[in-house]
Amino acid sequence: EPEVTQTPSHQVTQMGQEVILRCVPISNHLYFYWYRQILGQKVEFLVSFYNNEISEKSEIFDDQFSVERPDGSNFTLKIRSTKLEDSAMYFCASSPGKGAIGTGELFFGEGSRLTVL
Amino acid sequence: AQSVAQPEDQVNVAEGNPLTVKCTYSVSGNPYLFWYVQYPNRGLQFLLKYITGDNLVKGSYGFEAEFNKSQTSFHLKKPSALVSDSALYFCAVRDENNFNKFYFGSGTKLNVKP
Repeated sequence: EPEVTQTPSHQVTQMGQEVILRCVPISNHLYFYWYRQILGQKVEFLVSFYNNEISEKSEIFDDQFSVERPDGSNFTLKIRSTKLEDSAMYFCASSPGKGAIGTGELFFGEGSRLTVL
Repeated sequence: AQSVAQPEDQVNVAEGNPLTVKCTYSVSGNPYLFWYVQYPNRGLQFLLKYITGDNLVKGSYGFEAEFNKSQTSFHLKKPSALVSDSALYFCAVRDENNFNKFYFGSGTKLNVKP
């Protein structure tokens, strides 16, 4: 069964360093998302990506964050200069287009745990 | 504005008893409604969804949910809880008219005691 894969599963970094979190969504999906979750709390929306551009972003997704889909398969989240409060679990998700089989739900990866020291 | 609310941070139930986890929503168009479950240190796992059709939808692990348009609710239910159902449950909504938006509730921790 197709699945969303994320790497790395855990990354430890120093404050101020750049971090890139990678995701391979399910092929033929059209919508892509990044969410974060701090210590098993609520799932916070960061950004959605459709048709090769950001379609929506939250107030969390400031200038320190960026997303790319450089080669049609990977979907990356970059944090330019990490802060302590960026420590969280980051989840990538994808979904098919409206009307497609399996429409509606998001398919999630297992997450990348980021620890900023 | 699109939103989803889970009024209970935690639900406690004894094994074998029925359980309900509440969710209400607000969207401008027709709602797509979902429940996800998260076990400790794991990702979000899809349980069930309502898009159209029967108001009562059945999903994984014996869970079901009832769509109630007049009350804008989509409560998750199970007739007989298991200890292994203990987890974090998230309700989510997607607006047919704003398909790129997918929002989660704040989550409800379900504790099933033996």
